[in-house]
Amino acid sequence: NAGVTQTPKFQVLKTGQSMTLQCAQDMNHEYMSWYRQDPGMGLRLIHYSVGAGITDQGEVPNGYNVSRSTTEDFPLRLLSAAPSQTSVYFCASSYSGDDTQYFGPGTRLTVL
Amino acid sequence: RKEVEQDPGPFNVPEGATVAFNCTYSNSASQSFFWYRQDCRKEPKLLMSVYSSGNEDGRFTAQLNRASQYISLLIRDSKLSDSATYLCVVRNSGYALNFGKGTSLLVTP
Repeated sequence: NAGVTQTPKFQVLKTGQSMTLQCAQDMNHEYMSWYRQDPGMGLRLIHYSVGAGITDQGEVPNGYNVSRSTTEDFPLRLLSAAPSQTSVYFCASSYSGDDTQYFGPGTRLTVL
Repeated sequence: RKEVEQDPGPFNVPEGATVAFNCTYSNSASQSFFWYRQDCRKEPKLLMSVYSSGNEDGRFTAQLNRASQYISLLIRDSKLSDSATYLCVVRNSGYALNFGKGTSLLVTP
């Protein structure tokens, strides 16, 4: 099992550009989520999904879109990148809501 | 006020020492509690869940005090490899996890 994979590992964008961060898991987990981690802020939940076709907003959803067309994939779209979105983004998955969350290796995004 | 509060440290301790971290949470309805470990520039990984009765895993002991709304992590016989950031995590109802900002531990030779 590869676990949770994320691509790209690093990305530099200009303000206003759009892009998609990819996340995939091969553990047949129903629950998937996206977090961002900023210095001094801890991890904050952006969006999450409890199954294919079902998504919901977390603590900091503005400026991001998600979709869940398959169990395996949960991409995060930045609609119009802003410097405030410079962060490390982690995708996580779990079998159930109360189960261990497994994190991907992260994507380090810089918006200029 | 942040929902989960931790002392950011850093805690600098010599090898073999015992070190304890505390974490407080504000929502009395919180249901599940965890400690995650995060190495520098890596993803968080579950260290242990925290149960009302307390639980132990080798050199690590976690305890929950619901009345005072705090969680503790005790590390005995510290190893160099224990150097990391320890994240206190709380789940309320539903799926979302609330992360503390983390406590940094540096174990020195």
